[in-house]
Amino acid sequence: NAGVTQTPKFQVLKTGQSMTLQCAQDMNHNSMYWYRQDPGMGLRLIYYSASEGTTDKGEVPNGYNVSRLNKREFSLRLESAAPSQTSVYFCASKKLQGNTEAFFGQGTRLTVV
Amino acid sequence: AQKVTQAQTEISVVEKEDVTLDCVYETRDTTYYLFWYKQPPSGELVFLIRRNSFDEQNEISGRYSWNFQKSTSSFNFTITASQVVDSAVYFCALSESPSYNQGGKLIFGQGTELSVKP
Repeated sequence: NAGVTQTPKFQVLKTGQSMTLQCAQDMNHNSMYWYRQDPGMGLRLIYYSASEGTTDKGEVPNGYNVSRLNKREFSLRLESAAPSQTSVYFCASKKLQGNTEAFFGQGTRLTVV
Repeated sequence: AQKVTQAQTEISVVEKEDVTLDCVYETRDTTYYLFWYKQPPSGELVFLIRRNSFDEQNEISGRYSWNFQKSTSSFNFTITASQVVDSAVYFCALSESPSYNQGGKLIFGQGTELSVKP
């Protein structure tokens, strides 16, 4: 029972490089989310996909793009990484109904130098 | 707009003390859902509890209890007789109903770092 799987777990990028964070869930959930966690800032929503075929901006979308590839997969792309994007990134999924909890991946620790 | 505020950034207590973590939320939706998560030092996010906006019953689970008050838009979390293993960052979160505005959005507060010393 894998739940939510994020890859990679760790990544170091140089400023200006691009990369894609992958997220997959096997719980047949409709909604998927990308968050970043920075000290003192909590979990801030970058983008989310309420259901397959839709994506919406969250609180801090600048510098990121997302793709809801299918119901299982939701990827986050950094086109030109900046040091300000150094963070821990979490992917989450949940059923669309509001009264269900979200399940989280283990996180990706990204450092941009 | 949706917003969750956890004003307490850090709390430090001695083992066996009771501690309350505050959570205040804002929403214009009439149906919404509140959650608490725990993030231990290992980094994973652990779901603790959910509450629907139309269910104001308080809940107790072992040493944990939750006080939901719509009148003050608060959903506070109390740990009774705290233990060292309770040391973690605790997050409060809010989700509006799927049919409202940007339905499906799940917003977190800034988190409260609880340190329980022996």
